[in-house]
Amino acid sequence: GQNIDQPTEMTATEGAIVQINCTYQTSGFNGLFWYQQHAGEAPTFLSYNVLDGLEEKGRFSSFLSRSKGYSYLLLKELQMKDSASYLCAVMDSNYQLIWGAGTKLIIKP
Amino acid sequence: GAVVSQHPSRVICKSGTSVKIECRSLDFQATTMFWYRQFPKQSLMLMATSNEGSKATYEQGVEKDKFLINHASLTLSTLTVTSAHPEDSSFYICSARGGGESNEQFFGPGTRLTVL
Repeated sequence: GQNIDQPTEMTATEGAIVQINCTYQTSGFNGLFWYQQHAGEAPTFLSYNVLDGLEEKGRFSSFLSRSKGYSYLLLKELQMKDSASYLCAVMDSNYQLIWGAGTKLIIKP
Repeated sequence: GAVVSQHPSRVICKSGTSVKIECRSLDFQATTMFWYRQFPKQSLMLMATSNEGSKATYEQGVEKDKFLINHASLTLSTLTVTSAHPEDSSFYICSARGGGESNEQFFGPGTRLTVL
C-alpha cells in the first residue's frame, strides 16, 4: 500500500531551526510537496521537489532523496506565525496526491 | 500563484437539507479539480477527482449519490452534499490543477459545513 509518515507533533523555540521529516512508500513518484496549514484554513503551497537535493526558498528549504524515500522541510529563524501543521504529500504514478497526516509545529517564545 | 475561490466559506444547515459548494479557478483553466474533506486534527481525505466534462472519480467509501460533483466548465466545479446529516459536518476543500507541466494543486480557502 501507499504510505506517508511524518511526526505528529514537534516543538521548537522562536528564532531556532527545525527539521520536519517525511518518509514515503508510493506506487510511482511524480514529486513531493510540502504544504503549510493553519488551523481552520486550507493548505498553502510551500515547496515542490522532484529531483534529489535541496531546494531553498527564503527561510524554508526542502530536501529530497528518492532512493531513500525521504524528504525534510527545514525552517530557519522560526517565527511565532510559523506555528501550523506541515503536510507532506507525494504525487504517485497516477498523478494523485497521497497525503501524510501532517506535523503540528508548536513555536514557543 | 493561481487563485482558487470557494463559496460559501461557512454554512450551517438542518439535517436532511442539501448544500452546494462552489469551487472556481479565477485566473487559470483547471483541467482537474479535487474535492477533499478534513475532520478536526486529521489529514486531508480525497473524496473525488473530476475532469472537466466527464464524470467524477470517487474514492473508495465515498458515496457518489450523496456527494454530487459537477465539473461543467474549466473554471467551475460544484460539490452538492445531499440530505446532509450531522456526521457530514466537516471542512470541505477543493483544489485545482491546470494543464501543462506543473503538477501543483492550488487550494481554495475551504468551506466549513455544520449540519444541525
